[in-house]
Amino acid sequence: AQRVTQPEKLLSVFKGAPVELKCNYSYSGSPELFWYVQYSRQRLQLLLRHISRESIKGFTADLNKGETSFHLKKPFAQEEDSAMYYCALTGGGNKLTFGTGTQLKVEL
Amino acid sequence: NAGVTQTPKFRVLKTGQSMTLLCAQDMNHEYMYWYRQDPGMGLRLIHYSVGEGTTAKGEVPDGYNVSRLKKQNFLLGLESAAPSQTSVYFCASSLRLAGGPGDTQYFGPGTRLTVL
Repeated sequence: AQRVTQPEKLLSVFKGAPVELKCNYSYSGSPELFWYVQYSRQRLQLLLRHISRESIKGFTADLNKGETSFHLKKPFAQEEDSAMYYCALTGGGNKLTFGTGTQLKVEL
Repeated sequence: NAGVTQTPKFRVLKTGQSMTLLCAQDMNHEYMYWYRQDPGMGLRLIHYSVGEGTTAKGEVPDGYNVSRLKKQNFLLGLESAAPSQTSVYFCASSLRLAGGPGDTQYFGPGTRLTVL
């Protein structure tokens, strides 16, 4: 079975501070991991995926197979980063398994 | 190009009533999904479809039925609504199955359902 754990329901940081949203997963094979984001009054959308090894809106995420983690990081938080962030995993099958989400609040 | 649309946006039902949620996509995607979003639970897959005329159960299928009669539409039905089905329902579609190029899921705006 595949499982995604996001231990923080709410993360509050000040503008300009570093951000790290934690994501741990459980899967016996080689997973593909994603971060989806939902801004206020907008629909859920893909932020980034590990296979692309890209940086989107200043966010990066590295897959650490030893620690089974895929934490989302940004060196300097911006007010517009405030949103709900979901980590998701697929084992190569036909569905995504989402974590419970972390609400990021960037304070001025 | 509207992407993924959902009808209705809001609905209040009484226990035992039935209703159908409609999801439509204009991106010619093969794969469509229905999720529910509950506080502290994240998104959980209810049912999904890998093509016109096919459906499959997800993580929490009980109390729901689905149909995919046309490629662009995916219907979610509640035959006898229960308060436990109070939730926000999201539809999504993707070009390909999860795990490969083109597998990004595109989400609809959601339907907020309350069952009294």
